[in-house]
Amino acid sequence: NAGVMQNPRHLVRRRGQEARLRCSPMKGHSHVYWYRQLPEEGLKFMVYLQKENIIDESGMPKERFSAEFPKEGPSILRIQQVVRGDSAAYFCASSPGPRKFFGPGTRLTVL
Amino acid sequence: KNEVEQSPQNLTAQEGEFITINCSYSVGISALHWLQQHPGGGIVSLFMLSSGKKKHGRLIATINIQEKHSSLHITASHPRDSAVYICAVEENTDKLIFGTGTRLQVFP
Repeated sequence: NAGVMQNPRHLVRRRGQEARLRCSPMKGHSHVYWYRQLPEEGLKFMVYLQKENIIDESGMPKERFSAEFPKEGPSILRIQQVVRGDSAAYFCASSPGPRKFFGPGTRLTVL
Repeated sequence: KNEVEQSPQNLTAQEGEFITINCSYSVGISALHWLQQHPGGGIVSLFMLSSGKKKHGRLIATINIQEKHSSLHITASHPRDSAVYICAVEENTDKLIFGTGTRLQVFP
């Protein structure tokens, strides 16, 4: 059973471009969480999804950020018109229940 | 004031020393997690606990719900234990609130 997979591991975008981050949960896990770790800061919750549903998006910036977890395929965190302040490590985690399993993260650099 | 406070922020130790990292929180929780983040950035879940004590190898985690406090202990520390240790609490909403982490360096 492969762990939580995220791709790409590193992503470089210029200001104004779009970034798409993918998270494939562990097999059998129907809950996905996205977290952001800004440089020199702690992790912050962004969004909690179950298949085809957003359960809690209270940590998502109001503009430019969106997330989905379709019936088939990975969960996607989408950032439109990226700015330098979006540079961070983005982690997803999946769970079948209370315990969470983290992916390796995607490091986004905005030039 | 942060909802989750960890101490110390930085910790250095000699190989073999007993290490304690503390976590205090101010919200009602359903569970508390201890995570390990290595220099490469990956995060590993060490423990999830809601009461008492758990042990895994050289690692021990305890929690006191009444005092809203948890500790992570490492016995016989080793340089490979060098990492950032993160305490995170889970409210009933299933959302994790993270501490800022404790950076541990163990020297041979």
